[in-house]
Amino acid sequence: SQQGEEDPQALSIQEGENATMNCSYKTSINNLQWYRQNSGRGLVHLILIRSNEREKHSGRLRVTLDTSKKSSSLLITASRAADTASYFCATAPAAGNKLTFGGGTRVLVKP
Amino acid sequence: KAGVTQTPRYLIKTRGQQVTLSCSPISGHRSVSWYQQTPGQGLQFLFEYFSETQRNKGNFPGRFSGRQFSNSRSEMNVSTLELGDSALYLCASSPSRTFNRLETQYFGPGTRLLVL
Repeated sequence: SQQGEEDPQALSIQEGENATMNCSYKTSINNLQWYRQNSGRGLVHLILIRSNEREKHSGRLRVTLDTSKKSSSLLITASRAADTASYFCATAPAAGNKLTFGGGTRVLVKP
Repeated sequence: KAGVTQTPRYLIKTRGQQVTLSCSPISGHRSVSWYQQTPGQGLQFLFEYFSETQRNKGNFPGRFSGRQFSNSRSEMNVSTLELGDSALYLCASSPSRTFNRLETQYFGPGTRLLVL
């Protein structure tokens, strides 16, 4: 079973627009991570946010974490065609070492 | 530093055969995890090794096994292959300096296995 559930499953936007995707999880976490995957290739780590952090930025990426609601969001600002990919959230538990991935959000950025 | 490498990149096998996949982590990384990715089940955790010890295992049958060598390189083996084992197998390494904590994972390009 998957710890994280992502919403929406797919997203289509125009270049220059912002893309927002959400991730919900069920159990206590140590950190939550976001990854990008281009068309069946390996995953690329985007950002890690710890359970005691509420917001984190990296370039055009902004991640929020609400541990009371067990949810996180990833915002990509000023999207580009190259941002077309699947985005996954993954949770690392408070104790233990098993990273659990959500189902992913497929993002299509149209030029 | 060189990234995570996986060999082979593509593999075709028939039902009943066995297969061994190899993963070389980033130099200095002691944690190696394996994942199976399929369109139906998504990304599923197989197992994780740290300093040659399996720390955690996902919900896969005993046909799936792995090991880690003293140089942190890891192999996973699938015996008696089934059609449903067709998937992208991803390996990831992590610095994971704390024994009981999983940090950023650095993924390899994956091995795409097709079982006929």
